[in-house]
Amino acid sequence: GAGVSQSPSNKVTEKGKDVELRCDPISGHTALYWYRQSLGQGLEFLIYFQGNSAPDKSGLPSDRFSAERTGGSVSTLTIQRTQQEDSAVYLCASSSGLDETQYFGPGTRLLVL
Amino acid sequence: GEDVEQSLFLSVREGDSSVINCTYTDSSSTYLYWYKQEPGAGLQLLTYIFSNMDMKQDQRLTVLLNKKDKHLSLRIADTQTGDSAIYFCAESSLTSGTYKYIFGTGTRLKVLA
Repeated sequence: GAGVSQSPSNKVTEKGKDVELRCDPISGHTALYWYRQSLGQGLEFLIYFQGNSAPDKSGLPSDRFSAERTGGSVSTLTIQRTQQEDSAVYLCASSSGLDETQYFGPGTRLLVL
Repeated sequence: GEDVEQSLFLSVREGDSSVINCTYTDSSSTYLYWYKQEPGAGLQLLTYIFSNMDMKQDQRLTVLLNKKDKHLSLRIADTQTGDSAIYFCAESSLTSGTYKYIFGTGTRLKVLA
């Protein structure tokens, strides 16, 4: 497709379970970002991939969060042992890396019961 | 830490101009952005401005940047009901070879018919 896609669009899970969120960036975009938007709060930067460089993990809230980007394209954000405070919308964005303009996907709405 | 602040709500009448304001603290910002989020949708990039510019116009949108005061505004001319959404201000900066992104909490614009 022409834009950033994410799956699933909605995810309901039980506390303590692991979840995987997927992001397909715009073809050719070298940079990929993960954000979290909690209810009533601004966007929180989680992690950033640029080409083949090591990702900037400084925004990950805990060691339960990890992300991979395989082949410089698709990315997976994994949350282990989910907690109720992990409930949020997880947004992925990509950019060409040329002008830093980011294009966002529709997000995955995660609800941890 | 660095911060981006916006007012939470703005209400205008259809046909009037809307001005959404944003302040930021990071003096090393490279780009400043405005995003629009409609209910149930992902973020849409509206426009962005490089930090060495003071104005950018794109159809009904005008972005003004006062770098001295670290103040960014988005003016929407002839506001329509379809402009009702949450508008996020964001800034990016290059730190130690990686980019950081900070978003405001969003301004909810309500356009009254």
